Amino acid sequence: AQSVTQLGSHVSVSEGALVLLRCNYSSSVPPYLFWYVQYPNQGLQLLLKYTSAATLVKGINGFEAEFKKSETSFHLTKPSAHMSDAAEYFCAASLSGGYQKVTFGIGTKLQVIP
Amino acid sequence: DAGITQSPRHKVTETGTPVTLRCHQTENHRYMYWYRQDPGHGLRLIHYSYGVKDTDKGEVSDGYSVSRSKTEDFLLTLESATSSQTSVYFCAIREDAGALEEQYFGPGTRLTVT
Repeated sequence: AQSVTQLGSHVSVSEGALVLLRCNYSSSVPPYLFWYVQYPNQGLQLLLKYTSAATLVKGINGFEAEFKKSETSFHLTKPSAHMSDAAEYFCAASLSGGYQKVTFGIGTKLQVIP
Repeated sequence: DAGITQSPRHKVTETGTPVTLRCHQTENHRYMYWYRQDPGHGLRLIHYSYGVKDTDKGEVSDGYSVSRSKTEDFLLTLESATSSQTSVYFCAIREDAGALEEQYFGPGTRLTVT
């Protein structure tokens, strides 16, 4: 069975500071990995996804994530936080052949302090 | 934006009453999902569908049923609403069976059971 762990349900950063949101997965085989963002009162939107083509994945709004098999991690980063980045971020995983199932982490709320 | 609508967007109902939530898509995607979102739990899969009249249970299906009589509509029914079913419900669609395919989410329905 696969699981996704997001370390830190709340993260606060200052505007202009580095954003680092952590995600670790547990799976017998490397899954496909996703980061989604949810703005208040909205549904989830895809930020980026890892599909094994490249370990460093660039997404929208300046975010990127690096897949590290040895650490079973897929952490999300952004060099400089903007106020508009304040949202909840979800890491998710799906397995090849598991077409019906996507496992989500519990989410990390990012607060950006002016 | 993916053409996904959910109705109603907000609903307050009493314990013991049946409630039906509707998800409608204009993308003609085969796969549709119902999730609930609760603080500390992230998104949990209730039911999913892989075609007209083809549905299956997710991890938190007790007390819920679904139906899909047309490609574009996926209905979630709470047979007898309970306070523990107070939540935000999200519908999602997915074009393909491939595990690397992302999901597209609707705007959500906030349900309160009093």
